[in-house]
Amino acid sequence: NAGVMQNPRHLVRRRGQEARLRCSPMKGHSHVYWYRQLPEEGLKFMVYLQKENIIDESGMPKERFSAEFPKEGPSILRIQQVVRGDSAAYFCASSPGQSRYNEQFFGPGTRLTVL
Amino acid sequence: GNSVTQMEGPVTLSEEAFLTINCTYTATGYPSLFWYVQYPGEGLQLLLKATKADDKGSNKGFEATYRKETTSFHLEKGSVQVSDSAVYFCALSINTGNQFYFGTGTSLTVIP
Repeated sequence: NAGVMQNPRHLVRRRGQEARLRCSPMKGHSHVYWYRQLPEEGLKFMVYLQKENIIDESGMPKERFSAEFPKEGPSILRIQQVVRGDSAAYFCASSPGQSRYNEQFFGPGTRLTVL
Repeated sequence: GNSVTQMEGPVTLSEEAFLTINCTYTATGYPSLFWYVQYPGEGLQLLLKATKADDKGSNKGFEATYRKETTSFHLEKGSVQVSDSAVYFCALSINTGNQFYFGTGTSLTVIP
């Protein structure tokens, strides 16, 4: 059973470009979470999605950031017009259900560098 | 609100030393508590968890006990190895299960 997959593992963008980060959850998981880890900091929640629905986006910056989890295909975190402050590791996690008992399974992350 | 406070790092220990990493929390509901470990360049892996008061989670020689009276979930290991060098994150999840709340992480280096 493959784990959570993220690609690309490393992404370099120049200021003003767009970044697209992909996440395929574990088989059988329909709940996807995105987190951002800034250097020397912990993980900060960004958004929680189920298939075709955004459930909680309270941690998403109001501008330039968007996320989707279509019926078919991976979840996408999209960052438009990237700035240097967007440089971070972005982690996707998935779980089988929405419960405090469920652990979240993490992918290896995408490390975004904005030049 | 919900938050996790972790012991500041970095922590450096000699092999076979005793490890404690402190973690305390505040939560609006009844949380589940987790310890995750992150090796360099990798994602987070679940180390152990506890879902109710007085539960003890354990794995690979690591232990943590859910203490509701002190709102704590301290991580311990009796004898660390060089391979335990990593960053350790304490986290909680509440009833809605929408997100995990993470501490800032504690970096552990074990020297031979």
